[in-house]
Amino acid sequence: NAGVTQTPKFQVLKTGQSMTLQCAQDMNHEYMSWYRQDPGMGLRLIHYSVGAGITDQGEVPNGYNVSRSTTEDFPLRLLSAAPSQTSVYFCASSPDWGVSTGELFFGEGSRLTVL
Amino acid sequence: AQSVSQHNHHVILSEAASLELGCNYSYGGTVNLFWYVQYPGQHLQLLLKYFSGDPLVKGIKGFEAEFIKSKFSFNLRKPSVQWSDTAEYFCAVTPSLYNTDKLIFGTGTRLQVFP
Repeated sequence: NAGVTQTPKFQVLKTGQSMTLQCAQDMNHEYMSWYRQDPGMGLRLIHYSVGAGITDQGEVPNGYNVSRSTTEDFPLRLLSAAPSQTSVYFCASSPDWGVSTGELFFGEGSRLTVL
Repeated sequence: AQSVSQHNHHVILSEAASLELGCNYSYGGTVNLFWYVQYPGQHLQLLLKYFSGDPLVKGIKGFEAEFIKSKFSFNLRKPSVQWSDTAEYFCAVTPSLYNTDKLIFGTGTRLQVFP
């Protein structure tokens, strides 16, 4: 029972490099989301998806792209990494459309450092 | 701007002390409310949630929270903390009954419990 799996767990990038943070869930959840966690700022929503083929922006979407081609996967792409994107990234999923009746199930996080 | 506020950034207690962590939100209308906990080295997990009904909600590990609509608050309480409660606690809100796609987090409260 894997739940929400994020890879990689740690990554160091140079400014301007691109990379993709992978997120996969095996619970057949429709809703998936990406958050970043920064000291003193809590968790901020980057992008979310209510189902395959549907994505939308959260609070801090600039610099990030997402796609949702399957129910299971929700990758987060950084096209040109900047030091301001140094953070811990969490992927989360929910069995409900939206979060009105369910809880979010979080992955273990991906720590990204941009030099 | 609409937000979720946690005014206690860092709380230090001795074991057996009582705990109350504040959470206020500024969204009007109906909201759904959550408390999540992040133990050291672990991913976030749901502590308790409120959607409707009895404003006093009981969660796991002896935690409870009270929804006071007139004060826009959802404070977390525990009568007697243990060392194992050392963690970071996040209040979260879905802004309205009809826009439940987004779960907005507060900045978090770090709780340290000493034996």
